[in-house]
Parts: sequence; C-alpha cells; structure tokens
Amino acid sequence: DTAVSQTPKYLVTQMGNDKSIKCEQNLGHDTMYWYKQDSKKFLKIMFSYNNKELIINETVPNRFSPKSPDKAHLNLHINSLELGDSAVYFCAVQALNTEAFFGQGTRLTVV
Amino acid sequence: GQQVMQIPQYQHVQEGEDFTTYCNSSTTLSNIQWYKQRPGGHPVFLIQLVKSGEVKKQKRLTFQFGEAKKNSSLHITATQTTDVGTYFCAGPPGTYKYIFGTGTRLKVLA
Repeated sequence: DTAVSQTPKYLVTQMGNDKSIKCEQNLGHDTMYWYKQDSKKFLKIMFSYNNKELIINETVPNRFSPKSPDKAHLNLHINSLELGDSAVYFCAVQALNTEAFFGQGTRLTVV
Repeated sequence: GQQVMQIPQYQHVQEGEDFTTYCNSSTTLSNIQWYKQRPGGHPVFLIQLVKSGEVKKQKRLTFQFGEAKKNSSLHITATQTTDVGTYFCAGPPGTYKYIFGTGTRLKVLA
C-alpha cells in the first residue's frame, strides 16, 4: 500500500486546457502540501493544508486551486494551462515537525 | 521571504571521493531535515536534526546542524554510484511550512 499516491504520473496537455492532479494519503497525517519542481530541480512550496484547511498559499496564480474534500485527499486543479506551468508537481504529507512523505510526482507538460 | 541556499549546486566526484553539501538559511530554524531525490524519483527523507551543534551519522553519511541553527551540512565519505541524486535540506520557517533548499546535484563517476 503506497503511503502517498498521486495520479496521473504523466500529463501532456495543450495550452489553455484545464487539468487536475489527485493526491491521496493513508498515513492519517494532518498536513498536506503541493510542491512544484522546475527543470533546475528547485522545489517550491505552493500550498499547505492542515486538517482540510488552507494554511499557506505561496503567491501562486489563482489559476491554481487546491481542494481538500477530506483529510486523506488534496487535489490540485489548474485552469487555462500555460507553457510555464510545465514542471513536476509533488504532493507531500507530514505530521507536525516530522518527516515528509512525497508522492511519486506528476510530470506535467504543456504544449 | 525566507531563503535556504545550498552550495554547491552541482558536484561531480570520482567514486571513492568524499562529498559535502552546505545548507544556509536566512533565518533560524527549529529543526532541519535532509532528503535525497534519485533521478526520476521523489524526495525521500534521510534525517532530522533538532539541537544546536547536533551531529548524526548514518553509515557513510554525516549530518551536522550549526550552533546558530541557521546552517547545516551533509558529508558523504567514499562516495558510491548509489549516492547519485539531488540532496535537499529543508527547514520550517513556521508551522505547516517546510522550505526546501536549492539542492545539490551529485554525480558519481565510476
């Protein structure tokens, strides 16, 4: 059983489309994150949720909208995709001040 | 905002050589974590340091947390090809927020 599972693993789409990435965890941890990793491997925090509530939104364009229907799920919806959105997106899960568990990542390519 | 810089950005070493990556935060951290990301993979937790001046070892890996709790280092002795990957430090500038360092990409030449 994978602790943090993300789907899809790969996503290729055209500019202007809307797409979603899903994340599910079975660890029971309260905090979930979305990170964006660019081609230079920089890992940037996008959103942080605690117990289904949005805690941090790191100056992400409002085309990105996270949704947490319950404590085990955190989805990321992206509207009007742009070329610059191409990256690997990671979901991560963490209990307070302990190790973070990452999903396998979603490689998004916008063409 | 808070920044966590790592140097070097890239490092190529011959197998058997030692390797060190340094992590510097613009603010004091309550703890620091280290992660390894293999090529094509996701970050995997290595260790957490909490105390000022703390040193921890995992086989060939030695981790250190600075006295001021603003810097840290990871040293690998006698690198192996399995050490290839990107090493990240990460620290919490606040609750529910971990900032990752810029990463050091390590290549080990056999």
